[in-house]
Amino acid sequence: GENVEQHPSTLSVQEGDSAVIKCTYSDSASNYFPWYKQELGKGPQLIIDIRSNVGEKKDQRIAVTLNKTAKHFSLHITETQPEDSAVYFCAAVPLGGFKTIFGAGTRLFVKA
Amino acid sequence: EADIYQTPRYLVIGTGKKITLECSQTMGHDKMYWYQQDPGMELHLIHYSYGVNSTEKGDLSSESTVSRIRTEHFPLTLESARPSHTSQYLCASSDEGPGEAFFGQGTRLTVV
Repeated sequence: GENVEQHPSTLSVQEGDSAVIKCTYSDSASNYFPWYKQELGKGPQLIIDIRSNVGEKKDQRIAVTLNKTAKHFSLHITETQPEDSAVYFCAAVPLGGFKTIFGAGTRLFVKA
Repeated sequence: EADIYQTPRYLVIGTGKKITLECSQTMGHDKMYWYQQDPGMELHLIHYSYGVNSTEKGDLSSESTVSRIRTEHFPLTLESARPSHTSQYLCASSDEGPGEAFFGQGTRLTVV
């Protein structure tokens, strides 16, 4: 069945360093790839997304890249800050699909 | 801030009790979803609705039921709670596709 693999499961970086989270999807019909951030005690929040007709998208300190051929997509956070500490989920949605396939999550720790 | 609310935030209940988890959104979204999540772990879709009087089961088998009598309201009911139902339940809604969802803060359920 469809699945999304996400790596690493845990990531610890020093404040100011960059963080990269990578995901691979299995369903070639997927055409929308959101990223969610979940802080402790809260629900996930959509922070950035990318569609299959775009290879890269940037929003301030965060950027996402998509390689459709390899079925890979990645989240890049630059100049990390302690408030970036959270669990990040990648996801894939097939064209016309009714459900979102989530990765297992990456717990990011940013050390001050 | 997203206008989607879940109550209660925390619930401890005895085995065999009937419970209803409430979810309301004020954004007028047609699509609503229930996910089950162990804290910080992967999200599993258990129910979704595309509009009033429309409900479907998700991927994860669940003994819960849902109803959608009004656009803004999507309650989830467990007829007889069991310890295996202990988890966090997240409600979400979207106007566009399922991947562009707004999540509530969740209900953390403990069945003893």
